[in-house]
Amino acid sequence: EAGVTQFPSHSVIEKGQTVTLRCDPISGHDNLYWYRRVMGKEIKFLLHFVKESKQDESGMPNNRFLAERTGGTYSTLKVQPAELEDSGVYFCASSPATPTPTDTQYFGPGTRLTVL
Amino acid sequence: EDQVTQSPEALRLQEGESSSLNCSYTVSGLRGLFWYRQDPGKGPEFLFTLYSAGEEKEKERLKATLTKKESFLHITAPKPEDSATYLCAVSGFGSARQLTFGSGTQLTVLP
Repeated sequence: EAGVTQFPSHSVIEKGQTVTLRCDPISGHDNLYWYRRVMGKEIKFLLHFVKESKQDESGMPNNRFLAERTGGTYSTLKVQPAELEDSGVYFCASSPATPTPTDTQYFGPGTRLTVL
Repeated sequence: EDQVTQSPEALRLQEGESSSLNCSYTVSGLRGLFWYRQDPGKGPEFLFTLYSAGEEKEKERLKATLTKKESFLHITAPKPEDSATYLCAVSGFGSARQLTFGSGTQLTVLP
């Protein structure tokens, strides 16, 4: 079974430009999450999709970040315009739809974003 | 607000020298506590989920335990390939399904 995949693995852009990150979850996983790690700090939650609906976007830092999940499959995270403080590693995770209150999240390899 | 503190920040062991990593947490109702392993340039790799105090889980040289305030990851007779950053995360009933991570323990096992 293929794991969570993310594209690109690394992106270098200049301040003010736009970048779109893509995440393909494990096939059949309804839950999709975005996290990021900035400046050597701990990994922080950004948002959570259930299928195509945003379940929780409490971690999104500001309106320069836009996440979509059309059709409930892959997801994109767009940063527009990018700022220096957006540099970091963006992780995507997915988990299956289960009736239990806790589900294990499986992470992708991450996209390293560098804003110059 | 859920909080996770991991210690030590870094740990160097000789091959075969057993030790433990600590994860202290505060959470408004624990859904689950998760341990992940992360190698450089890769994403977190799932190891264990613990749900209630007293629970223990084992995988090869690793054993995770849970109390109401902390979790330990015991590493028995480690090998150089166990070198990685070990991350602890919690999911609380007050924070939907998001994970709150600690800053990790960077483990180096010397041959």
